Amino acid sequence: KNEVEQSPQNLTAQEGEFITINCSYSVGISALHWLQQHPGGGIVSLFMLSSGKKKHGRLIATINIQEKHSSLHITASHPRDSAVYICAVRSLRAGGTSYGKLTFGQGTILTVHP
Amino acid sequence: DAGITQSPRHKVTETGTPVTLRCHQTENHRYMYWYRQDPGHGLRLIHYSYGVKDTDKGEVSDGYSVSRSKTEDFLLTLESATSSQTSVYFCAISSGATDTQYFGPGTRLTVL
Repeated sequence: KNEVEQSPQNLTAQEGEFITINCSYSVGISALHWLQQHPGGGIVSLFMLSSGKKKHGRLIATINIQEKHSSLHITASHPRDSAVYICAVRSLRAGGTSYGKLTFGQGTILTVHP
Repeated sequence: DAGITQSPRHKVTETGTPVTLRCHQTENHRYMYWYRQDPGHGLRLIHYSYGVKDTDKGEVSDGYSVSRSKTEDFLLTLESATSSQTSVYFCAISSGATDTQYFGPGTRLTVL
């Protein structure tokens, strides 16, 4: 079983719809990242969070540490949001010291139609 | 955008030949990483560096070596390329071990 599981794997939406992508993980973490990869291949970091919620424009990321779960929401989706969204977690080292290595989910392919 | 470039961007080579991929940064970040991205696996760490001449293995390091003789350059070498190393390779940088990582544009490598 992968340490990081994303759902759904594929998501199709109509422009304007509210979108939710989920990420579940099985290890203790110090932080969780959401990244975006456009069809051209470039990867951009969207959020890094360790608790609560963060918002940037139409994107909202939440995390529940106790339930080991995070969600990425997109409000008023647009065709330019079409991309692969990747969840990644930074594991806790034994004893609670964090270090930089990330474990990535397989990504959610989002397609938004006009 | 962070100043990260990768070269070459595309390469086709034959099994058994050596290949070196270069990652160059202009941000003076301490940490540099090499990942490979394959369908069904997501991004996986090959090697990373936490300073000049300081490197460590990631989860898929077999068949790969790295070198970092300058802060700005991190080289990934496949000593004898195999078809299983056909992949898209991404370099990333970060200023600290737990900071946001910034990714390069990727190198698509095909080993025939």
